[in-house]
Order: sequence, then structure tokens, then C-alpha cells
Amino acid sequence: DQQVKQNSPSLSVQEGRISILNCDYTNSMFDYFLWYKKYPAEGPTFLISISSIKDKNEDGRFTVFLNKSAKHLSLHIVPSQPGDSAVYFCASRSNDYKLSFGAGTTVTVRA
Amino acid sequence: EAGVTQFPSHSVIEKGQTVTLRCDPISGHDNLYWYRRVMGKEIKFLLHFVKESKQDESGMPNNRFLAERTGGTYSTLKVQPAELEDSGVYFCASSQVRHSDTQYFGPGTRLTVL
Repeated sequence: DQQVKQNSPSLSVQEGRISILNCDYTNSMFDYFLWYKKYPAEGPTFLISISSIKDKNEDGRFTVFLNKSAKHLSLHIVPSQPGDSAVYFCASRSNDYKLSFGAGTTVTVRA
Repeated sequence: EAGVTQFPSHSVIEKGQTVTLRCDPISGHDNLYWYRRVMGKEIKFLLHFVKESKQDESGMPNNRFLAERTGGTYSTLKVQPAELEDSGVYFCASSQVRHSDTQYFGPGTRLTVL
């Protein structure tokens, strides 16, 4: 039973524009949400996170938005840069340590 | 500070053989996790160690998988005997003490079972 879903397997965006990645979850017990970024042949790297008590967290070019009532979160990257081309994973956690991941969205930033 | 390391980076074995994957966490990290990604799907949790103790092994697929963490340092994940559906990328991650601490991932071991 997949509790975290990323319905867009890929996203192509022009350099300088905004990238918007979406994620939906089903488990109402999740209280912490994360985005990881992964380059080929490397492990996922932590990017940004948000607690369920917040609806927005910003770190430089990256902003995560959380809509608890809709069980939806999104990651905004602005402006998008060529180095942002990677696979982005949404992950969620409840009161234990294990992370539940989505299937990932492959972002391609075009020059 | 060295990150999480995994060995080997890639393993190709035949069905029925045994393979052992190794993970060295970041020094001082009590928490160690194993995850697996199959066929480009989601990354799935396998198990969680706190020091040398298994805290949660609810994600282990079956009893062909055996994980150990000797002395609370490195960990091994043995698959015996391997089946075709075990192919995938096995990631190890580690974190410090607190529940909220970030999990840092290794580069993964790509296992191919023929």
C-alpha cells in the first residue's frame, strides 16, 4: 500500500522558470515531510523539510508548501537551474523513524 | 567527515546464490536504516537499527533477508538464496539520536539477480 504518491514521473522546465513538484499522501499520522534530491549513481540527498504544524518552509530557491486538509505538499524551485536536473523524492514520517517515499519525479532543466 | 559508504556498488549474481551487502554509517550515528528501490519505483523501508539492536524490521520482505549490525558500527544485509525479484538498488542511511535528525543516504548497491 503506497502511502506517498508522486503522480508526475517527469517534469521539463526552462532554465530560470519555476519548477513545481507535487506529492500526495494518505496517512493522516504523518507529521513530518521531506524532499530528497537524487543524482544518477548517488544516494538521495536531503533538500528541505516541513513539520505538520507549518504550511510553508523556505530555504533559498526552494520552498515547500503543505496543505494538511488536502494531504498534499509541493516543492517550488525558483529560478530553476541546470544543476537542479535530478530525481526528486517526496518522503513522509510519522512517530517512528522510517521514511515512506514516493516514486520520484525526474526534473529536466532545459537551457 | 566521511559520509555513508556502501560496498559493493554493483553486484550481479545468479538466482539461488548468496550476496552480502555492507554499509558503513557516518561515525557516531546510532541509527542505521536499510531501504530498497525496485524498478524505478518508490524507495521502500526495510529495517532500522538503533546501535546494534533491530528497532523495526517490518519492511523486510521475507526470511531470505538477514541484517546484522556488529557492535553498533557497520551493518550487513545478506540475501540467501537470491531470487529474481530481489533485484534493485539497496540504500543504507544513518542518522544521529533524535527522531527529527536528518537521514543521510549512501550511494546504494545495485543488485542484479539473473
